[in-house]
Amino acid sequence: EVQLQQSGAELVRPGTSVKLSCKVSGDTIIAYYMHFVKQRPGQGLEWIGRIDPEDDSTKYAKKFKNKATLTADTSSNTAYLKLSSLTSEDTATYFCTTVVPGINWFAYWGQGTLVTVSS
Amino acid sequence: DVQMTQSPSNLAASPGESVSINCKASKSISKYLAWYQQKPGKANKLLIYSGSTLQSGTPSRFSGSGSGTDFTLTIRNLEPEDFGLYYCQQHNEYPITFGSGTKLEIK
Repeated sequence: EVQLQQSGAELVRPGTSVKLSCKVSGDTIIAYYMHFVKQRPGQGLEWIGRIDPEDDSTKYAKKFKNKATLTADTSSNTAYLKLSSLTSEDTATYFCTTVVPGINWFAYWGQGTLVTVSS
Repeated sequence: DVQMTQSPSNLAASPGESVSINCKASKSISKYLAWYQQKPGKANKLLIYSGSTLQSGTPSRFSGSGSGTDFTLTIRNLEPEDFGLYYCQQHNEYPITFGSGTKLEIK
């Protein structure tokens, strides 16, 4: 079974960037699209975007186009989410999920990475 | 973007009762709606996709119905482990969008 292991919690300064990781085990990452989802404290789920690790093609939600960058490293079976120009609005838990191409419901989720933006 | 309006925001029920959670899309999404359960300290759990298809491992007391713009998640004979947060998600088109969530609490 596919498992997703996300990197640990981050405390970062406003204006800086942070790069979160999501490692896939149990299968090869190129068999899947990797999606990332944001959840602010006490709020709902927001789709950020997805990457196809096979060709590095990406899709983003409009509001994250200048905020988030998705990359993947097939040699380490890991996807990455980089968030730039961080503000308090970016304080949230970020989840990775994975799906086979052609479907867009999320059966596999990582445990989430909490990013706290504070000076 | 497809807006997903989920109701109610909060719901209180007792074990053994049945509850329904609604999700309305701002335009037709055919049958392409998923439901998730979220609980603290656990990975988000896919319950249903394509409107009414139970994910492997989802108990049969969960059911999904609807198509077009109006969908319902029904949980019959509530068990203590069913309490938590529930989200709908349209998987018909990009960008993928979620409902605002329903908190199901023990009465």
